[in-house]
Parts: sequence; structure tokens; C-alpha cells
Amino acid sequence: GDSVTQMEGPVTLSEEAFLTINCTYTATGYPSLFWYVQYPGEGLQLLLKATKADDKGSNKGFEATYRKETTSFHLEKGSVQVSDSAVYFCAPVSGGSNYKLTFGKGTLLTVNP
Amino acid sequence: DGGITQSPKYLFRKEGQNVTLSCEQNLNHDAMYWYRQDPGQGLRLIYYSQIVNDFQKGDIAEGYSVSREKKESFPLTVTSAQKNPTAFYLCASSADRTPAFGATGELFFGEGSRLTVL
Repeated sequence: GDSVTQMEGPVTLSEEAFLTINCTYTATGYPSLFWYVQYPGEGLQLLLKATKADDKGSNKGFEATYRKETTSFHLEKGSVQVSDSAVYFCAPVSGGSNYKLTFGKGTLLTVNP
Repeated sequence: DGGITQSPKYLFRKEGQNVTLSCEQNLNHDAMYWYRQDPGQGLRLIYYSQIVNDFQKGDIAEGYSVSREKKESFPLTVTSAQKNPTAFYLCASSADRTPAFGATGELFFGEGSRLTVL
């Protein structure tokens, strides 16, 4: 079955620092790839996605590129803000008649002023 | 506004009691899901439903039950058989059922229900 390996947290950064959260996956076929974000006390919301190799997803200053050759989808942001403090989940979704997302364990990011 | 509503937000249960968590969506989505979130373990799929009157077990279905009598509603019952029910429960929905229909896989989540067993 599908699996995801995410960089273990917690990650603590100062405001305006560069962020990378690594994500590698195993999946059947050519999955779509997603990053979801969970702010404290809330549900998850989609941050960005990429549906085919070499696609770059971007939103709110975050970026991730679908790397088929390395089966990776690392999340990056050039300058984090305190408001980016949250848990970030990587999730591939594969084809098949009963597709479902497989979530990574999540990476807690804390940004200090 | 369209979205997913979970209730209650907080719930306390005594051991041996069943409890039902509500999930309602007005997004006209076909598929609905229940996840359990524990610290350090990410999200684990309990049950999912791709169409009314049909549902499948996820990875950790033991001790839980669901129904899907209406498209908008997918309630989850945590039964007394669930040995460690204290957790944060998340309901989600998606427009897509299978990749054959151009699925993108995007899920829309509710704000969650926190269940504590006393």
C-alpha cells in the first residue's frame, strides 16, 4: 500500500527563516500529491497540490515540486511568519477503484517572533 | 457558506457508553470520511463512504460504526468495544469518488470533535 515519510518535528524557527519540510512517498502508479495544514484546534485545510511530475504547487508563499525520480514532494517557504505555526501533513493519493489519501504523521512547525 | 459541520466540538463519555459524533456537509460531495488523530500518529482512516447507503472500513474500524442514509450526513458511533477512544476525530468530504471521474483527491475537513473518556 501507499506510505509517506515526513520529516520528524517539531521544527522551531525564527521569523523570516527559510523552511524545508521533507516528504517522500511510495505509491502505485502516478499519484497526486498534497500538503495539508492544520492550525491549532482546527481541522485540516489544503495548502497546495501537484498532480503530475515536475508540477510545482504554490500557495501563501509555500512551494513544493513533484519529483517523480526521487518520489519526493518537499515543502519550502523562503520567509516564515509567526502565523505559519501549525502542523503540516504530506499526502499522496493513488488511483484505483477505492482511492484514498495516505497521510504522513505530520510535522509541527513553531515560528518565534 | 458551504462546508462541513461537526458536532459536538467537545464530548465526554463514561467508560462503557456509546457515543455518536455528527458530521454534516452542504457541499454536495459524494464521498465522506472519518479520521482519528492521536498525538504523534498523524491521521488514521476509520471509515469512508463513496455513495449513499454504502461504506467501507478503513485502517482502524474496530469499535466504530457508521451509517450513510443521506448524502449530507455521515455519523460516527464510538462503541464501548473501542478500547482507547480518547482522541480528536475529523470528518472530511470530497467531490470525487474514483479517479475515473477525474478525481483530484482534495478533502475538505470539519473542525473536529474531541472525545474524552472519563
